Amino acid sequence: GESVGLHLPTLSVQEGDNSIINCAYSNSASDYFIWYKQESGKGPQFIIDIRSNMDKRQGQRVTVLLNKTVKHLSLQIAATQPGDSAVYFCAERRGNTPLVFGKGTRLSVIA
Amino acid sequence: KAGVTQTPRYLIKTRGQQVTLSCSPISGHRSVSWYQQTPGQGLQFLFEYFSETQRNKGNFPGRFSGRQFSNSRSEMNVSTLELGDSALYLCASSPQGTSYEQYFGPGTRLTVT
Repeated sequence: GESVGLHLPTLSVQEGDNSIINCAYSNSASDYFIWYKQESGKGPQFIIDIRSNMDKRQGQRVTVLLNKTVKHLSLQIAATQPGDSAVYFCAERRGNTPLVFGKGTRLSVIA
Repeated sequence: KAGVTQTPRYLIKTRGQQVTLSCSPISGHRSVSWYQQTPGQGLQFLFEYFSETQRNKGNFPGRFSGRQFSNSRSEMNVSTLELGDSALYLCASSPQGTSYEQYFGPGTRLTVT
């Protein structure tokens, strides 16, 4: 079956540096990918999404890259700030099926 | 526009009891999905409702059920609670059935003792 996983459970970065959070997926039929940020005590918050017909999408300080050849997804956060500290989830979806979430990566920003 | 709201925010129940959780989606959103979040299993899909009909269902026992009302508000019920049901239950709404982007509520923290 399909699975969505994260390479690293924790990531620590210096404030001002760029962060890269990785995600691997196994289902080549997935056509939609999304990144969520979850702060302590809150529900997941939408960051950015990308469809399978794209390789890259940029938002405000964030970029998502999709490499369909190796089934890899990454989230890049530019100039990481303390407020970026949270758990980040990737999720994938095929058509109208439910989102399948990865386990999450905890990002800690060191001031 | 108000976000997704969930009530109650915290709940403590005893094994064997049942519980009902409520979710009010963003105004105009017709799709509501429920997820269970635990440290060990992460975010797991429970079910999705669209226009009062269950469209997708996750791999959970029949003790977990839900429904959606004509105003798109949704409830989920867990009967005969078990210790393992302790989790954060999250509700997410989408503008329409085919929309992929989901907006999550703050969740209901259920503790079963």
